[in-house]
Amino acid sequence: AQTVTQSQPEMSVQEAETVTLSCTYDTSESDYYLFWYKQPPSRQMILVIRQEAYKQQNATENRFSVNFQKAAKSFSLKISDSQLGDAAMYFCAYSARSGGSNYKLTFGKGTLLTVNP
Amino acid sequence: NAGVMQNPRHLVRRRGQEARLRCSPMKGHSHVYWYRQLPEEGLKFMVYLQKENIIDESGMPKERFSAEFPKEGPSILRIQQVVRGDSAAYFCASSPPRAGPRTDTQYFGPGTRLTVL
Repeated sequence: AQTVTQSQPEMSVQEAETVTLSCTYDTSESDYYLFWYKQPPSRQMILVIRQEAYKQQNATENRFSVNFQKAAKSFSLKISDSQLGDAAMYFCAYSARSGGSNYKLTFGKGTLLTVNP
Repeated sequence: NAGVMQNPRHLVRRRGQEARLRCSPMKGHSHVYWYRQLPEEGLKFMVYLQKENIIDESGMPKERFSAEFPKEGPSILRIQQVVRGDSAAYFCASSPPRAGPRTDTQYFGPGTRLTVL
């Protein structure tokens, strides 16, 4: 079974600084997606960034970028120039890209990010 | 284009009562997924439905829980005879019909927070 592990229950960063959130996963699949979702206090799930496993290039979305290490099954999120609005719970998630369960997202337990002014 | 709608946002029930959670997918979306988030946990897949069909309910508890997505109207997640352990946030997501069920195009609603007294 696929599992997603986020080893940092909480992280903090100073405004305008950079922070990296860690995620590892376990799968026997070769073709899959990885995601980072943000859940602010409103509890809305917001997609931050997505990576396809077959792509070697790391995904970037403005101040958000990932470090995808397929062999190590590691998928970390880097937030540059942190802003107060980045404060939220961040979830790493996995799904197969094909096959019988390609519609199921498997989530880690989350990392609570605090941004200090 | 309105996003995924869920209502109510907050629901309080006493033990033994029934809870009905509603999800209206994005316009044109024909795939609906329900996830549950227990306190201090990530989201866990419960069920995947298409119009009038339950495709995968492998994540649903065997008893008291049921889901439907009728031809007309919202998808309903029904919990009978609620217990305190059912207290959680329940999220619905939807995706468009093209290319089948996908995780890379799942859009989440704001969730329903169920509290069982």
